[in-house]
Amino acid sequence: DTGVSQDPRHKITKRGQNVTFRCDPISEHNRLYWYRQTLGQGPEFLTYFQNEAQLEKSRLLSDRFSAERPKGSFSTLEIQRTEQGDSAMYLCASSFTGADQPQHFGDGTRLSIL
Amino acid sequence: GENVEQHPSTLSVQEGDSAVIKCTYSDSASNYFPWYKQELGKGPQLIIDIRSNVGEKKDQRIAVTLNKTAKHFSLHITETQPEDSAVYFCAAMNYGGSQGNLIFGKGTKLSVKP
Repeated sequence: DTGVSQDPRHKITKRGQNVTFRCDPISEHNRLYWYRQTLGQGPEFLTYFQNEAQLEKSRLLSDRFSAERPKGSFSTLEIQRTEQGDSAMYLCASSFTGADQPQHFGDGTRLSIL
Repeated sequence: GENVEQHPSTLSVQEGDSAVIKCTYSDSASNYFPWYKQELGKGPQLIIDIRSNVGEKKDQRIAVTLNKTAKHFSLHITETQPEDSAVYFCAAMNYGGSQGNLIFGKGTKLSVKP
């Protein structure tokens, strides 16, 4: 299967710890997006990359969050000093260049903060 | 900014009946409208999308209609089957403005009873 892959699928951590998630996009896609989804809500945009350049950040992306895509392939999303409110599903999507190109999502990483 | 309202929040139909989910958007500059299906524990799966230069699009049992004047778009599923049961999300984006920011509705939980 050559879809979007996310790792880990589940992460449980204590408040105050740092966590890092990985996303491997569809190989031909040069755009990569991160979204957050809480229970009963639709996904909310966090940030996106065009190749290795981070082009847009949502105001939801506080200074505790950082995303990278160093070689324009996989991406990592790190959350430092996790808080209860960070508990959510973190979704990655990828697409071809062009803002109206369909975004294809992975199955997400579910983060639970104890 | 853009706001997307989705109705109903839950929908229950008998197998074989049709299901209709409606969304309204606030930003008249929005011009790309995808629909996603999300099953439990999985990421959103793109099922159909429409651009603002088209009023209707159909793919087998699924169709989407767009009314730009009224700023609303709808998903129609005919001959529903139990495997259509899932949460459906509409989304909107202005691909001439923000380059990555899909704005999602809050979702409709569709239950198809055999």
